[in-house]
Amino acid sequence: EDKVVQSPLSLVVHEGDTVTLNCSYEVTNFRSLLWYKQEKKAPTFLFMLTSSGIEKKSGRLSSILDKKELSSILNITATQTGDSAIYLCAVDSGGGAGGTSYGKLTFGQGTILTVHP
Amino acid sequence: DGGITQSPKYLFRKEGQNVTLSCEQNLNHDAMYWYRQDPGQGLRLIYYSQIVNDFQKGDIAEGYSVSREKKESFPLTVTSAQKNPTAFYLCASSKPRQGQPQHFGDGTRLSIL
Repeated sequence: EDKVVQSPLSLVVHEGDTVTLNCSYEVTNFRSLLWYKQEKKAPTFLFMLTSSGIEKKSGRLSSILDKKELSSILNITATQTGDSAIYLCAVDSGGGAGGTSYGKLTFGQGTILTVHP
Repeated sequence: DGGITQSPKYLFRKEGQNVTLSCEQNLNHDAMYWYRQDPGQGLRLIYYSQIVNDFQKGDIAEGYSVSREKKESFPLTVTSAQKNPTAFYLCASSKPRQGQPQHFGDGTRLSIL
């Protein structure tokens, strides 16, 4: 059974702090790892990491994939109150025939980040 | 603007009642998915569909049913056999190719009366 574990489950910081969120996985057929941010409703896509793209950066957010350790980290520098959200990690273990992917995602429990002013 | 529309936003179910959650997308995506989100458990896959008239069970399909008669629509029925339906339900869609992330709707929150 595919498994994704995130840590910590919750984190409280102050504006300006740097945070590191962790994601580890055990899946039978790794295709990619995705990070999403969920505020009130729809998760919004942040990054996708694959064997050919193990590091991504966008503004204050960055993410690295460690295929040897079967894990990924999401870093947020200079945090702001608007960064408060649930951060979800998911692994795509495929599932389609002929090289296609149904995008069968296995999600971790999420990390609840709270940034105080 | 293209996107995924879920309705209703809030839904209440009586004991023994079936209810249907709507999911429509105009992104021209072939693949669509239904997830259930409970506190502390992340998202769990209920059903997914890659093409019209075809769908597959996910990890927690018992007590749910779906149909895919049109590319744009993937309704989810929560049947009376689902004994613990209270949850947040999220619909997603994607292009069924490697490297294409899923995009989510705003969700439906289902509660038991």
